[in-house]
Amino acid sequence: EADIYQTPRYLVIGTGKKITLECSQTMGHDKMYWYQQDPGMELHLIHYSYGVNSTEKGDLSSESTVSRIRTEHFPLTLESARPSHTSQYLCASSEPAGTSNTEAFFGQGTRLTVV
Amino acid sequence: AQSVTQLGSHVSVSEGALVLLRCNYSSSVPPYLFWYVQYPNQGLQLLLKYTSAATLVKGINGFEAEFKKSETSFHLTKPSAHMSDAAEYFCAVRPGGYNKLIFGAGTRLAVHP
Repeated sequence: EADIYQTPRYLVIGTGKKITLECSQTMGHDKMYWYQQDPGMELHLIHYSYGVNSTEKGDLSSESTVSRIRTEHFPLTLESARPSHTSQYLCASSEPAGTSNTEAFFGQGTRLTVV
Repeated sequence: AQSVTQLGSHVSVSEGALVLLRCNYSSSVPPYLFWYVQYPNQGLQLLLKYTSAATLVKGINGFEAEFKKSETSFHLTKPSAHMSDAAEYFCAVRPGGYNKLIFGAGTRLAVHP
């Protein structure tokens, strides 16, 4: 069973507020990812990390930022939320390429609504 | 460039009928291939994966998929649909040696009585 947790599950917040979406995993995975998914749509990679102090932008441009100070923790921050940020955010983790376990494990997601 | 194409954004079947969800990929190196399922307001759950062992892969909930290199396909099937199979299904590729998963656009499966 995957051990990756996201909080909160649901968040409704006003425009201009700063928010942080939390993601933690207890599997010791080096690789972590944030995906953005609009309702009924595909997943877009917005950030990823290959280890502590490593962060990269994903394929979809995002105004959010991430940090990776600890292996198990990969929070995503929006400095000033806007209605265009309304979406579902999915966190995932995986073992390094070349290992036998190749899949990514996903959290339950955070559904963000900015009003 | 690596990519995944899922044919059919919506598929509707009757309960008890065969489920066939199509996935084609492109990859410059031998890939790992995956099918994930997503229920409403949930994250993604792994159904099955291909990692260059057997080309016919069995997964959870009675699903299976066959890797066909000549057709660059990895279609998902289930002999008999159940109402609980209604969900969004995503095909994904992870080219060998790469860390990122590339997802298809998803197929929404509806199962009607």
